[in-house]
Amino acid sequence: AQSVSQHNHHVILSEAASLELGCNYSYGGTVNLFWYVQYPGQHLQLLLKYFSGDPLVKGIKGFEAEFIKSKFSFNLRKPSVQWSDTAEYFCAVNALGYGNNRLAFGKGNQVVVIP
Amino acid sequence: GAGVSQSPSNKVTEKGKDVELRCDPISGHTALYWYRQRLGQGLEFLIYFQGNSAPDKSGLPSDRFSAERTGESVSTLTIQRTQQEDSAVYLCASSAGTAPQETQYFGPGTRLLVL
Repeated sequence: AQSVSQHNHHVILSEAASLELGCNYSYGGTVNLFWYVQYPGQHLQLLLKYFSGDPLVKGIKGFEAEFIKSKFSFNLRKPSVQWSDTAEYFCAVNALGYGNNRLAFGKGNQVVVIP
Repeated sequence: GAGVSQSPSNKVTEKGKDVELRCDPISGHTALYWYRQRLGQGLEFLIYFQGNSAPDKSGLPSDRFSAERTGESVSTLTIQRTQQEDSAVYLCASSAGTAPQETQYFGPGTRLLVL
């Protein structure tokens, strides 16, 4: 079965600091990769996704993620965070040929940005 | 247009009772997913509907769980004889097509508490 690992479940940082959230998955085949974000009181929404092409993907609000196939990783980054980036971030993987497009999610990273 | 909606937003029930959760997907979306998020965990796939195809029920945790969908519209998730371990947020998502890289759009969830 697919599994997705996210470390450092709670991250606290100051505004303007850089953020990097790690995501590793266990599936040797072709994958589609997603980062979702849930702001306080809001729905889960897509931040960015990778399915082919340039492994460096840019998403909304200045976020980017890099797919490194050899490391089974899809880490999320933002060079300079703002207070409004306080949210929970989830990495998700869809493995082609496995499970009808279902997403396997990590446990999430709770990020708190201090003004 | 309107996003995915779910009802009720919160449900408190007693152990042993049946509950029914409802999901209205985005109009025109053929794929519909149910996920469950228990406290401190990532989202866990439950069931997937795609058009008129047989649903993928492989994520349902027990035979107390069932779901139906009428055509490409509303879906209901039913939990019979609820147990305390069923307490979780139940999330519904829909997507426009069958391609695995399609974005899944999530609803606000139903928070279920079984006493």
